[in-house]
Amino acid sequence: EIVMTQSPATLSVSPGEGATLSCRASQSINSNLAWYQQKPGQAPRLLIYAASTRATGIPARFSGSGSGTEFTLTISSLQSEDVAVYYCQQYGHWYTFGQGTKLEI
Amino acid sequence: EVELVESGGGSVKPGGSLRLSCAASGFTFTNAWMSWVRQAPGKGLEWVGRIMSEADGGTTDYAAPVRGRITISRDDAKNTLYLQMNSLKTDDTAVYYCASSGSYTYYFESWGLGALVTVSS
Repeated sequence: EIVMTQSPATLSVSPGEGATLSCRASQSINSNLAWYQQKPGQAPRLLIYAASTRATGIPARFSGSGSGTEFTLTISSLQSEDVAVYYCQQYGHWYTFGQGTKLEI
Repeated sequence: EVELVESGGGSVKPGGSLRLSCAASGFTFTNAWMSWVRQAPGKGLEWVGRIMSEADGGTTDYAAPVRGRITISRDDAKNTLYLQMNSLKTDDTAVYYCASSGSYTYYFESWGLGALVTVSS
């Protein structure tokens, strides 16, 4: 099983600042990585797929990068509505999720 | 607008059974690969299983922790996905989400709101 490790577990930032969330795969998954946002009490929402492609309707302040085993989700100019837990997910070999990064503002 | 609505959740004793349904609308359900993903209280996301579209073979695949105890099926005429869970354990307590993928795209494009399953004596 491919293990996904996210860091940090919790990230506190001020409104208007940027945030960088990391995700590491235990083996290469090429670009088979997605990012999801889960707000309190809500279902997850797809943000990024194929490591760097924004899903439909996702603001440009969300961007993804990386390939192989190291991936990053960058959120620029944070807004209060971005408070959520962010999960990475690999789909290169079945499906596994990271444990999540909780973003606080 | 894509909509996935789960139903059938509830409380069940260990060893019991439960069937969840997921009603889909707003997209071509027949072409979609459908998955179930669960989230234990206060925990992260865990993929449970998947069914491909009939056009792609209709194959089902299951995660190791649930293999042999669950069955995923679909009724394309009713645009509905099912999750039959048997021999339930307390560790199966979670919110169960249905999620849709495109053919061979694998990532989860849309999610339902979830159905809570509580396994407790």
